[in-house]
Amino acid sequence: GENVEQHPSTLSVQEGDSAVIKCTYSDSASNYFPWYKQELGKGPQLIIDIRSNVGEKKDQRIAVTLNKTAKHFSLHITETQPEDSAVYFCAASLGVNTGNQFYFGTGTSLTVIP
Amino acid sequence: GAVVSQHPSRVICKSGTSVKIECRSLDFQATTMFWYRQFPKQSLMLMATSNEGSKATYEQGVEKDKFLINHASLTLSTLTVTSAHPEDSSFYICSARRDRGLEQYFGPGTRLTVT
Repeated sequence: GENVEQHPSTLSVQEGDSAVIKCTYSDSASNYFPWYKQELGKGPQLIIDIRSNVGEKKDQRIAVTLNKTAKHFSLHITETQPEDSAVYFCAASLGVNTGNQFYFGTGTSLTVIP
Repeated sequence: GAVVSQHPSRVICKSGTSVKIECRSLDFQATTMFWYRQFPKQSLMLMATSNEGSKATYEQGVEKDKFLINHASLTLSTLTVTSAHPEDSSFYICSARRDRGLEQYFGPGTRLTVT
C-alpha cells in the first residue's frame, strides 16, 4: 500500500518568515494530494490540494508543489502569522482504486513566534 | 459549503456502556464517510469506510462488532462504540466525500473518555 512520510515533525519560524513542509509518497499511482491544518482539539481543515496533472498551486500565502518523478510534494507558507500555528498533515490518495482512502503523513507541528 | 458536523463533541461514559457518535454532512450529500481515530500528537488512523446503504469496510485490526457503523442516509453516518473500555478513550473524527469528489471534509471530532 501507499506510504507517506512527512518532515519535519516540528518547525518553529519567526513571524513573517516562510515555512516549508515536505512529504514523500511511495505509490506512483497516487493522484491527489491534500494538505490539512489541525488546531488543538479540532478536526482537520482542508487548506489546499493538488492533483497529479498539476505541478504547482497557490492560494494567497499558501502554495503546494508536486514533483511526480521524485514522488514528493511540499507545502509553502509565506509571511507566516501566529494564527498559522497548528499541526499540518499531508495525505496521498489513489482515488477510486482504493475507495478514495487517504494515506496521511505523521504531521508537522508548526509554531510561529511573534 | 462542505460543512461536516459531529455530535456530541465530548462524551464521558462508564466502562461497559455503549456510546453513539453522529456525523452529518450539512450542505452536501456524502456518498462516502470515513471514521478515524486519533491519539494525542499522532496522525489520523482510518478505522472504516462507509458507503450509503451498504456495509462498512473496516481496516485491519478494527473490531467490527465493537465499532458499529451505520450510513443510513446520504447525510448521516453513526459510529457506536459498544461495551466501551478505558482503552477506547480517544478522539474520533469523521470525514465525508461527495459523489465523484476527491476531497474529504472533516468534522470537528468527538472526544470520548471512558471511566
